[in-house]
Amino acid sequence: EVQLVESGGGLVQPGGSLRLSCAASGFTFSSYSMNWVRQAPGKGLEWVSYISSSSSTIYYADSVKGRFTISRDNAKNSLYLQMNSLRDEDTAVYYCARDLLPVVTAIPGWFDPWGQGTLVTVSS
Amino acid sequence: EIVLTQSPGTLSLSPGERATLSCRASQSVSSSYLAWYQQKPGQAPRLLIYGASSRATGIPDRFSGSGSGTDFTLTISRLEPEDFAVYYCQQGSFGQGTKLEIK
Repeated sequence: EVQLVESGGGLVQPGGSLRLSCAASGFTFSSYSMNWVRQAPGKGLEWVSYISSSSSTIYYADSVKGRFTISRDNAKNSLYLQMNSLRDEDTAVYYCARDLLPVVTAIPGWFDPWGQGTLVTVSS
Repeated sequence: EIVLTQSPGTLSLSPGERATLSCRASQSVSSSYLAWYQQKPGQAPRLLIYGASSRATGIPDRFSGSGSGTDFTLTISRLEPEDFAVYYCQQGSFGQGTKLEIK
């Protein structure tokens, strides 16, 4: 079964840092690009970041550029999101999602499957 | 940056009816990258349609996608009770969503 499981969420103060992880199983992780998508409470979906299978291509949403860093470890079948200088508006459920577009392009492709999400709350 | 605008914001229909959801892009986009997702409360989104008109694995054939250029449509031919949810279109970034509710 193809599965993604996020972890690492929690409560953090404004200006703090947090590292999210996403464990992949059931497919050849090293063959797929991956993404992070977030959803603030009661709001819509916001794409956050993309990383190609070899980590050679990385994109960020403007809202997180310079503060968040996406990475992956293909040997560990894991995706990461290092979040620094966190703000109140970063409060959201963070999902990792596999990118099904078979080539690297200027934008992410379509996402399937998604993990169950991990909640990040930024508050003092 | 391309902005996707979905309409209506909320659609109230009854089971058995036909639902038509719209997604309009601020500039012409490649239909190859246009996708639709369904999200139910407390759940992760689920891919329904990719490449504007291809159904994802396991998606019932009452779901169909169409369109090109700047205008795309998700159609649910006959609504089942489990179809009432929020729907998002995506091309890189996401539209703001359409909530499909029971009338």
